[in-house]
Amino acid sequence: SQTIHQWPATLVQPVGSPLSLECTVEGTSNPNLYWYRQAAGRGLQLLFYSVGIGQISSEVPQNLSASRPQDRQFILSSKKLLLSDSGFYLCAWSGRGMWNNQPQHFGDGTRLSIL
Amino acid sequence: AQSVAQPEDQVNVAEGNPLTVKCTYSVSGNPYLFWYVQYPNRGLQFLLKYITGDNLVKGSYGFEAEFNKSQTSFHLKKPSALVSDSALYFCAVRSGGSYIPTFGRGTSLIVHP
Repeated sequence: SQTIHQWPATLVQPVGSPLSLECTVEGTSNPNLYWYRQAAGRGLQLLFYSVGIGQISSEVPQNLSASRPQDRQFILSSKKLLLSDSGFYLCAWSGRGMWNNQPQHFGDGTRLSIL
Repeated sequence: AQSVAQPEDQVNVAEGNPLTVKCTYSVSGNPYLFWYVQYPNRGLQFLLKYITGDNLVKGSYGFEAEFNKSQTSFHLKKPSALVSDSALYFCAVRSGGSYIPTFGRGTSLIVHP
């Protein structure tokens, strides 16, 4: 069966520090991968998605970046964190159904607090 | 363009009563519709999806959803609510040509004992 791992579960970082969040998927190949941020107000904001190694699409301009160095690995990074980067970060994957009708499967998230 | 509306921020229901969480959508072409549930400090869990076929879709934990094309709705239902169903519920829509689903803002379901 497929599983998705996200770490760390919680992170407290000072303003201006770098960030690296990692997500890996097991039990499938060539997945679509996604990074979301969920603010306290509940809605999901899509940050990045990837349809293949080295292929990253950014949905929102900001000081975050993403990379996909391996087929099932997705990394979210920042060189300098801002207070506004606080939130709950979720990684997700979906399979490549013929008509793109596959659901997404989410990791358990990283709660990031910026001090 | 695609969009989803969940008109209720919160739904309250007594345990044992039926529950409905509403969702309406807008999309070009045929919609792919999804419901997810989120418990506190956890990721979203997939409940069910509508792709084509029977308008009544059955999913996990006794939940079902009814696709209504004329009303562009996809309401989530359960015949008898449990306290453990209390969580945040998200509706999502995706068109056939897109990798990216659009999520609603979520509805908080509270089931009272």
